[in-house]
Amino acid sequence: KNEVEQSPQNLTAQEGEFITINCSYSVGISALHWLQQHPGGGIVSLFMLSSGKKKHGRLIATINIQEKHSSLHITASHPRDSAVYICAVWGETSGSRLTFGEGTQLTVNP
Amino acid sequence: DVKVTQSSRYLVKRTGEKVFLECVQDMDHENMFWYRQDPGLGLRLIYFSYDVKMKEKGDIPEGYSVSREKKERFSLILESASTNQTSMYLCASRPYLYGYTFGSGTRLTVV
Repeated sequence: KNEVEQSPQNLTAQEGEFITINCSYSVGISALHWLQQHPGGGIVSLFMLSSGKKKHGRLIATINIQEKHSSLHITASHPRDSAVYICAVWGETSGSRLTFGEGTQLTVNP
Repeated sequence: DVKVTQSSRYLVKRTGEKVFLECVQDMDHENMFWYRQDPGLGLRLIYFSYDVKMKEKGDIPEGYSVSREKKERFSLILESASTNQTSMYLCASRPYLYGYTFGSGTRLTVV
């Protein structure tokens, strides 16, 4: 069992829909990252959070430390949101190392 | 904004060649990392460095070495490239207490 599991693996939505991507982890963590990767491109860090909720534009990330679960929400989705979204955790005992989920491929159709 | 710059976006090399992948960050970060990304396997840590001349093996160091002679630069070296090293390579850096910044990646093809 992976230490970091994401669901769904693939998600197709229509423009304007509200989208949720989930991440569950099994280790104690210092922080959790949500990352975005466009086709052929590098990775952009969207959020780093260790408690509560963060919002940036149409993106919202929440984390529940007790339940070891985080969600990434996209409101009013747009085709340019199409990308792979990756959850990564920074374990309490892993120093600087991240443990990555396998990613969620999001496709938003016009 | 912090920048992590990888010297090449695309590289094609021949089997047996020595390959250097360069990564430079401009914000005096202590920690730097090299990952490779493959379909179905996600991101895997090759090597990381927490200071100049310091290096630690990641999960898949075989066939690779690294060099960090200056704080801003972290090089990944493939001593003798092989076809199974065809992959996307991503560099990242982070300061002591904050989040990661990733480079734009180098897609290496070994023929």
